[in-house]
Amino acid sequence: QKEVEQDPGPLSVPEGAIVSLNCTYSNSAFQYFMWYRQYSRKGPELLMYTYSSGNKEDGRFTAQVDKSSKYISLFIRDSQPSDSATYLCAMSAWDDKIIFGKGTRLHILP
Amino acid sequence: EAQVTQNPRYLITVTGKKLTVTCSQNMNHEYMSWYRQDPGLGLRQIYYSMNVEVTDKGDVPEGYKVSRKEKRNFPLILESPSPNQTSLYFCASSTRDRGMGNEQFFGPGTRLTVL
Repeated sequence: QKEVEQDPGPLSVPEGAIVSLNCTYSNSAFQYFMWYRQYSRKGPELLMYTYSSGNKEDGRFTAQVDKSSKYISLFIRDSQPSDSATYLCAMSAWDDKIIFGKGTRLHILP
Repeated sequence: EAQVTQNPRYLITVTGKKLTVTCSQNMNHEYMSWYRQDPGLGLRQIYYSMNVEVTDKGDVPEGYKVSRKEKRNFPLILESPSPNQTSLYFCASSTRDRGMGNEQFFGPGTRLTVL
């Protein structure tokens, strides 16, 4: 079983819809969870960061971590065409390297 | 402006011709790393450096070399490139340790093609 699993998509949704992006993981030592956004021909940039379980909200974005299920999610409300990008989940244990998911390509249709 | 720069951005070369991709950051970050990104395989770490003169292998180090003589620079060297090293390469830097959720700042990427 791979350490981090992420559906590659592509995921196409109409503008204004709520988007749900997910990752599962197998290493119970992971405690830092991140979402990076990567636009075409650009490097990834950090979008959201959470420590341990729970929710974190930042504007239209909500990151959710369920450590009991080893499942993390990113929700995007009121999606915009500018949200079209590849979203990579990432996670790490204490003082250990970051493991990235393979990324989900998201298309928001105007 | 805080940033990670990479050069060149695009490179086409031939098998066996040594090349260097430069990486520089202006944020005084201790930690720097190199990744390659391939379709279906995602981001894979090649090498990382915790500080000056301290480097270590990542997940896919074969065929690559790195050095860290100065804090701001972390060049990636391909001594004898092969076609399976055709990829999109990213340099990244962050403060302190490699994990702990520290934000990694990525460069714009270098698209390398080895013929």
